Amino acid sequence: NAGVMQNPRHLVRRRGQEARLRCSPMKGHSHVYWYRQLPEEGLKFMVYLQKENIIDESGMPKERFSAEFPKEGPSILRIQQVVRGDSAAYFCASSPPGLATYNEQFFGPGTRLTVL
Amino acid sequence: SQQGEEDPQALSIQEGENATMNCSYKTSINNLQWYRQNSGRGLVHLILIRSNEREKHSGRLRVTLDTSKKSSSLLITASRAADTASYFCATETGRRALTFGSGTRLQVQP
Repeated sequence: NAGVMQNPRHLVRRRGQEARLRCSPMKGHSHVYWYRQLPEEGLKFMVYLQKENIIDESGMPKERFSAEFPKEGPSILRIQQVVRGDSAAYFCASSPPGLATYNEQFFGPGTRLTVL
Repeated sequence: SQQGEEDPQALSIQEGENATMNCSYKTSINNLQWYRQNSGRGLVHLILIRSNEREKHSGRLRVTLDTSKKSSSLLITASRAADTASYFCATETGRRALTFGSGTRLQVQP
């Protein structure tokens, strides 16, 4: 039973380019979350999705960032026109159906985005 | 301070000693979770404690939760060099999104 998969593990982009980060949740998990971690800091929540639905995007910057979790395939976090401040580690997590009270989130290895 | 704030920020101990990390939070929670992160790696889930629980054990880990003080502690007994990592607490408040503190960096000297 594979864990949460993320790719690529490392991504280098120049300012103004687009970054696409992919996340495949654990088998049987229907909830996906994206978090961002700046160096020497904790993780900050960005967005929570279920299949074909964005449930909570309160942590997403209003511009340039979007996320989706289609019926088929991985969840995608898309950053348009990247800037140096977008350089960070982006982590995806998933959890199974059921009450949040009882379910931990399982994290992927992260994608480290570097904007030159 | 923000929801889920760890204390101390950094801790250095000798192998075999116990390590205690504390976490304070501000709002009511459904559960509180502790995670470990090795340098440059992803997060590993350690333990989840629900708001109606006061203490949980898992191997060398002991977690307590005091909802009246809005605080939790993580105790690692008989520490090993391999325990060297950053430790984060995260709170879940009913929105499913976890709120993380800035972490405690633990260094275990062999």
